Amino acid sequence: DQQVKQNSPSLSVQEGRISILNCDYTNSMFDYFLWYKKYPAEGPTFLISISSIKDKNEDGRFTVFLNKSAKHLSLHIVPSQPGDSAVYFCAAIYSGAGSYQLTFGKGTKLSVIP
Amino acid sequence: DGGITQSPKYLFRKEGQNVTLSCEQNLNHDAMYWYRQDPGQGLRLIYYSQIVNDFQKGDIAEGYSVSREKKESFPLTVTSAQKNPTAFYLCASSPRMSNPPTGNTIYFGEGSWLTVV
Repeated sequence: DQQVKQNSPSLSVQEGRISILNCDYTNSMFDYFLWYKKYPAEGPTFLISISSIKDKNEDGRFTVFLNKSAKHLSLHIVPSQPGDSAVYFCAAIYSGAGSYQLTFGKGTKLSVIP
Repeated sequence: DGGITQSPKYLFRKEGQNVTLSCEQNLNHDAMYWYRQDPGQGLRLIYYSQIVNDFQKGDIAEGYSVSREKKESFPLTVTSAQKNPTAFYLCASSPRMSNPPTGNTIYFGEGSWLTVV
């Protein structure tokens, strides 16, 4: 049973517009959430994280929103750039496990159209 | 520079063979992890180790084995018991859990492609 779900396999956005990537989770024990960007045959690149005690975290063009009651988070990229085209993974951590083992969603492929 | 090195980048295995993927880190991290990625899928945890000489099964450990004899090394063996070994394998490392995770907490290697021929 998937504990972290990214229900949109792909998303196309015009350059300069906002990209919104969504993620849902089922395990209420998760207390940290991270977003990664990944290219084929490469390791993931960390983008931004959020603790479950917060509802928003912002870093440059990237903002993550967390709705704990809905078990939903989203990544906003504004403005979107062609270089943002990649697969984006949502991941969650349960700190009670004592390690940073990540539970990943299946990813959303973002295409930013020039 | 500190980091994680995975080798080889590409590996071909004949059916029935065991193969070992190497993962070395010089970050002085206590914890190390192995993930598997299949096309169109997320990364799934195979094994992890929080300390030398100790490791735990992840979600998909069947057909795999690991060892953690040294802090900097966490090799993964894909055994002949693994029915569908063709995948992209990623190694990661981190300090032991103490602070909220940030970009400087969890490091990933560049991955290894394993193909069964």
